[in-house]
Amino acid sequence: AQTVTQSQPEMSVQEAETVTLSCTYDTSESDYYLFWYKQPPSRQMILVIRQEAYKQQNATENRFSVNFQKAAKSFSLKISDSQLGDAAMYFCAYRSASSGGSNYKLTFGKGTLLTVNP
Amino acid sequence: NAGVMQNPRHLVRRRGQEARLRCSPMKGHSHVYWYRQLPEEGLKFMVYLQKENIIDESGMPKERFSAEFPKEGPSILRIQQVVRGDSAAYFCASSRLYTGELFFGEGSRLTVL
Repeated sequence: AQTVTQSQPEMSVQEAETVTLSCTYDTSESDYYLFWYKQPPSRQMILVIRQEAYKQQNATENRFSVNFQKAAKSFSLKISDSQLGDAAMYFCAYRSASSGGSNYKLTFGKGTLLTVNP
Repeated sequence: NAGVMQNPRHLVRRRGQEARLRCSPMKGHSHVYWYRQLPEEGLKFMVYLQKENIIDESGMPKERFSAEFPKEGPSILRIQQVVRGDSAAYFCASSRLYTGELFFGEGSRLTVL
């Protein structure tokens, strides 16, 4: 079974600075997707960024980028120019891409609570 | 263009009562998923449904929990004879394809007294 580990329960960053959230995962599969979700106090799960494992290029979405290290099974999220609105719980998630099986299930880490200080 | 709608947002029940949580998927989405989030935990998969069919309920407790997605109307997650350990946030997500992007609702927070 796949597992996702977020080793930082809490992180803080000064407004306008950069912060990196860590995520590692364990899988025997070669084809899969990785995601970062944001959960603000409103509790809605918002997709921040997605990475396909077959792509070597790291995904970027405006101020959000990832460092995907497939061999190391590491998938960190970098937030540049942090804003107050970035304060939230961030979850790393894994989904298999292999045909058949449970490739519709997301496996989540326990989350990292990000505080942004003004 | 409404997103995934869940209600109620908050539900309080006493031990032994029943809880019913509703989820209306996004327009055009026929795949519905329920996840549970316990305090200080990530979301955990419970059940995957298509219209009138349960595809995978491997994450749902065998007793007291049931889910349906009828031909008409919202998907329902039903918890009978609730216990304190059922207190959690229950999230519904929907997708157009079973491998498509999941869109989450805002969750229903169940508190069992």
